[in-house]
Amino acid sequence: RKEVEQDPGPFNVPEGATVAFNCTYSNSASQSFFWYRQDCRKEPKLLMSVYSSGNEDGRFTAQLNRASQYISLLIRDSKLSDSATYLCVVKGDGSSNTGKLIFGQGTTLQVKP
Amino acid sequence: NAGVTQTPKFRILKIGQSMTLQCTQDMNHNYMYWYRQDPGMGLKLIYYSVGAGITDKGEVPNGYNVSRSTTEDFPLRLELAAPSQTSVYFCASRGTVSGEAFFGQGTRLTVV
Repeated sequence: RKEVEQDPGPFNVPEGATVAFNCTYSNSASQSFFWYRQDCRKEPKLLMSVYSSGNEDGRFTAQLNRASQYISLLIRDSKLSDSATYLCVVKGDGSSNTGKLIFGQGTTLQVKP
Repeated sequence: NAGVTQTPKFRILKIGQSMTLQCTQDMNHNYMYWYRQDPGMGLKLIYYSVGAGITDKGEVPNGYNVSRSTTEDFPLRLELAAPSQTSVYFCASRGTVSGEAFFGQGTRLTVV
């Protein structure tokens, strides 16, 4: 089983739509969680961290469910500029070494006019 | 404000050749990473380092070697290039507390 799994999509949505992505992780000892955004042929960049209580940043909401070991990202009022690949990232493996950052496969979003 | 710098940006290698991908960061970050990304796929961790003198294997370390003699530099070595190593390679760094990793622009490597 992969450490971090995402539905690769693509998700094709019209402008203004609400879209949600899920991500599951296999290591229950994982410590921190993030969503990164990657534009075509570019390097990934941090979109937002995911906190246990859930957090919101403008049109983006991230949720963490430790019991079920999944993370979600909700995008409201989609814009054309939201078209990108969204990568779920998990930090730490429960050992004393918290260095590992594991990326999921990514979910591709295409927002259409 | 250079951040993470990778060189070269593009390279074509013949099977069996060797090369070193360079990565340097100027943010005094302890953690550094090497990932590879195949077309349509996510990033797979090759090696990482939690500080100078310390390296550890990631998900796909076979065929690669790394060293971390300084905080700034984290080169990735391919000893005997194989077509399966055709990929885009990203180097990243992050600070001790933050989970935000900063990436270089990538090295596009083709092995023929």
